[in-house]
Amino acid sequence: EAQVTQNPRYLITVTGKKLTVTCSQNMNHEYMSWYRQDPGLGLRQIYYSMNVEVTDKGDVPEGYKVSRKEKRNFPLILESPSPNQTSLYFCASSSHDRLGYGYTFGSGTRLTVV
Amino acid sequence: DAKTTQPNSMESNEEEPVHLPCNHSTISGTDYIHWYRQLPSQGPEYVIHGLTSNVNNRMASLAIAEDRKSSTLILHRATLRDAAVYYCILRPVLLSNYGGATNKLIFGTGTLLAVQP
Repeated sequence: EAQVTQNPRYLITVTGKKLTVTCSQNMNHEYMSWYRQDPGLGLRQIYYSMNVEVTDKGDVPEGYKVSRKEKRNFPLILESPSPNQTSLYFCASSSHDRLGYGYTFGSGTRLTVV
Repeated sequence: DAKTTQPNSMESNEEEPVHLPCNHSTISGTDYIHWYRQLPSQGPEYVIHGLTSNVNNRMASLAIAEDRKSSTLILHRATLRDAAVYYCILRPVLLSNYGGATNKLIFGTGTLLAVQP
């Protein structure tokens, strides 16, 4: 089944403790992206990657890092999490094309930083 | 970035058609119109997309105005499982420095669709 898999689904951590949220897709998609969703602010893009070793900032990149060493994986790294990074996170992927194909989203990771 | 305007909420009865409107008066010639929906506690799900012509798929139909400044997502027979937030999004197909599209999706606040049994 074609899918984007995020882990973990739920995570509670303490301020300053480094964490990684993993994202993997099995569709051979070139493009991958991370979004966060907050009440009243909707979905905002954090980082995106056009292909292996090609990443760029989205609208809200502060406090996050990403890497794209393999095509299928796009982990989101929080080096020193803070409470304002408590949010619902989604990873997405799509084909790298000019015809507007749809995105496939993961099921989400609910992160709480205390 | 071009923006979209959708009603905050709509209601429908089960088994009836639903027409979800979206205005995008600043759309550019290379913007695709995408629709996604988000069910409670799930990630957004692709529904349909189009450029100029009306589109149909197994989930829905997309009617695009001739001037492309508005579009309507049509659910032909609403079910309780269609209750969700529906997002109308313009996807700019812009060339990046790497020769491909930037693929960015900009989500608005969407329309919360309630379906009554």
